[in-house]
Amino acid sequence: QSALTQPASVSGSPGQSITISCTGTSSDVGSQNLVSWYQQHPGKVPKVMIYEGSKRPSGVSNRFSGSKSGDTASLTISGLQAEDEADYYCCSYTSSRTYVFGTGTKVTVL
Amino acid sequence: QVQQVQSGAEVKKPGASVKVSCKASGYTFTSYYMQWVRQAPGQGLEWMGVINLSATYTSYAQKFQGRVTLTRDTSTSTVYMELSSLRSEDTAVYYCAREYSGSGSFDSWGQGTLVTVSS
Repeated sequence: QSALTQPASVSGSPGQSITISCTGTSSDVGSQNLVSWYQQHPGKVPKVMIYEGSKRPSGVSNRFSGSKSGDTASLTISGLQAEDEADYYCCSYTSSRTYVFGTGTKVTVL
Repeated sequence: QVQQVQSGAEVKKPGASVKVSCKASGYTFTSYYMQWVRQAPGQGLEWMGVINLSATYTSYAQKFQGRVTLTRDTSTSTVYMELSSLRSEDTAVYYCAREYSGSGSFDSWGQGTLVTVSS
């Protein structure tokens, strides 16, 4: 199972919106709606930001939203803030009853 | 509060095995799955496997098949991850993470256990 493909880095200015893509196949991202997104600050434990493609856990800012089209899922951060600077990983359930993470994206707030 | 507390850092020689524990508290243990994820220094997250805490179901990433074993002890709400035939590339932080059955959301993570493989 190959890792899902994410851009290595995405940047934006405070207040702007950015979108991180996560491309898989019909055996993972495209097969069902169990895509989640994780934020990880340096030296910290990952934190779930989106699950089941577009659902936000309690306590996560509504500036974070998720969507999917075909084999590609996306995470959008609107109203970018300095605290959003972190690494982001997508994760998908697969048709083999396993999970696979994305390659990770470093978000930089300019 | 909801948490998983993992065992401490380990240093192992190539070819040895390591067993990391993950003790859960603050929730009904058997209502969840426990995922295991690792992260090599400076690298991304890598899914290793999952165990159903109410039964004996396990699933492993193909990369680790035959080398990793997940077990659980419901009497102590503890999950164990054993990785054998260690090599230097297994040097990483190993995390356990709770998943509510079928949600795909790893919503509570242990603090991580650093395993260093070095001769």
